[in-house]
Amino acid sequence: EAQVTQNPRYLITVTGKKLTVTCSQNMNHEYMSWYRQDPGLGLRQIYYSMNVEVTDKGDVPEGYKVSRKEKRNFPLILESPSPNQTSLYFCASTRLGGGLLDNSPLHFGNGTRLTVT
Amino acid sequence: AQTVTQSQPEMSVQEAETVTLSCTYDTSESDYYLFWYKQPPSRQMILVIRQEAYKQQNATENRFSVNFQKAAKSFSLKISDSQLGDAAMYFCAYRSVFNGANSKLTFGKGITLSVRP
Repeated sequence: EAQVTQNPRYLITVTGKKLTVTCSQNMNHEYMSWYRQDPGLGLRQIYYSMNVEVTDKGDVPEGYKVSRKEKRNFPLILESPSPNQTSLYFCASTRLGGGLLDNSPLHFGNGTRLTVT
Repeated sequence: AQTVTQSQPEMSVQEAETVTLSCTYDTSESDYYLFWYKQPPSRQMILVIRQEAYKQQNATENRFSVNFQKAAKSFSLKISDSQLGDAAMYFCAYRSVFNGANSKLTFGKGITLSVRP
């Protein structure tokens, strides 16, 4: 089954304790991205990657890191989490990266609910 | 930068009736894509429908259809014969074709739809 898999689904941690949220897709997609969802703000892009070893900042990258060492994996790293990073996080992927002829939708993972105390 | 506005935070519909969810957007671009995503309590992000700006014909998917008014920058979603399973949060989203290889979606704040039996 084609899917984007995120782990863990729920995570509670304390301020300053490094954590990683994993994301893996089995559709051979070149493009992957991370979003955070907050009430009243919708979803906002954190980082994206157009291919292996190619990543760039989205709209809200502060406090986050990513890496893309393999095509299928795109982990999100919080080196020193803070309470304002408490949010619902989504990983997404698609087979193309933009352009006029690219109407392919983003495929989303099931989300990771992160609480930082 | 583009913005997407969903001004109604909540709506309610009687089962089997029709409901329309509003969305407006602001852009100076002539080509782009518009999407509606559904987020049920399971938190999944499910694509409902997509519209290419260069197409005049409104997109339809079974009970879901859109009213795309390009000049007015309006993109409303109509759900016919509403079912209990339609209860969810709905997000309107915009994707530029001029973001290089970044397939970034700009989301509205979302609207919570409840369906009364």
